[in-house]
Amino acid sequence: NAGVMQNPRHLVRRRGQEARLRCSPMKGHSHVYWYRQLPEEGLKFMVYLQKENIIDESGMPKERFSAEFPKEGPSILRIQQVVRGDSAAYFCASSPRYPQGASGANVLTFGAGSRLTVL
Amino acid sequence: GQQVMQIPQYQHVQEGEDFTTYCNSSTTLSNIQWYKQRPGGHPVFLIQLVKSGEVKKQKRLTFQFGEAKKNSSLHITATQTTDVGTYFCAAQGAQKLVFGQGTRLTINP
Repeated sequence: NAGVMQNPRHLVRRRGQEARLRCSPMKGHSHVYWYRQLPEEGLKFMVYLQKENIIDESGMPKERFSAEFPKEGPSILRIQQVVRGDSAAYFCASSPRYPQGASGANVLTFGAGSRLTVL
Repeated sequence: GQQVMQIPQYQHVQEGEDFTTYCNSSTTLSNIQWYKQRPGGHPVFLIQLVKSGEVKKQKRLTFQFGEAKKNSSLHITATQTTDVGTYFCAAQGAQKLVFGQGTRLTINP
């Protein structure tokens, strides 16, 4: 399966614990995006990464959240000291190249998501 | 930053009725994409529109991009239960794809 792989699919944490969500992009893709989706809401951009480089983290909360995409291995979204408001579905998407302007944007391929529940 | 407004937020129809969702931007868009998310699923790319006034069809789905490239619509003819889900438009921002709030379609069989 060459799709975007996310794990875990479901994660339960107690308040104050850490959550680590992993994303392996589609084969041949070098750009990773993380989006958060609260229940019954839309997709909110969090961060855009290339290998070893954060390109745009304008959607990341200033505290407790971090993301990385190392040279080897999956991209990781890390949430420290989770609170109930962090409960959401976290989707990773990948694309093959840098988005281009008038000729069209990259199409995103999404993973199945990681659903975080904070007790 | 780039923002797109999508309406309606919810739409409930009888099976066989048509459905339309609209996406609007205050700025000119370089392109627009549409995604579908089934209940409990993940967004799946449907189509991308790039040219002013462009119209594309996929079976019962018709996608339009406005002449001014500030709005787009998705129309489904004769809905079926398999059309249930949330439809998102998405516009290219400086570095990222910005999604509309989505239109959630439910269908009465």
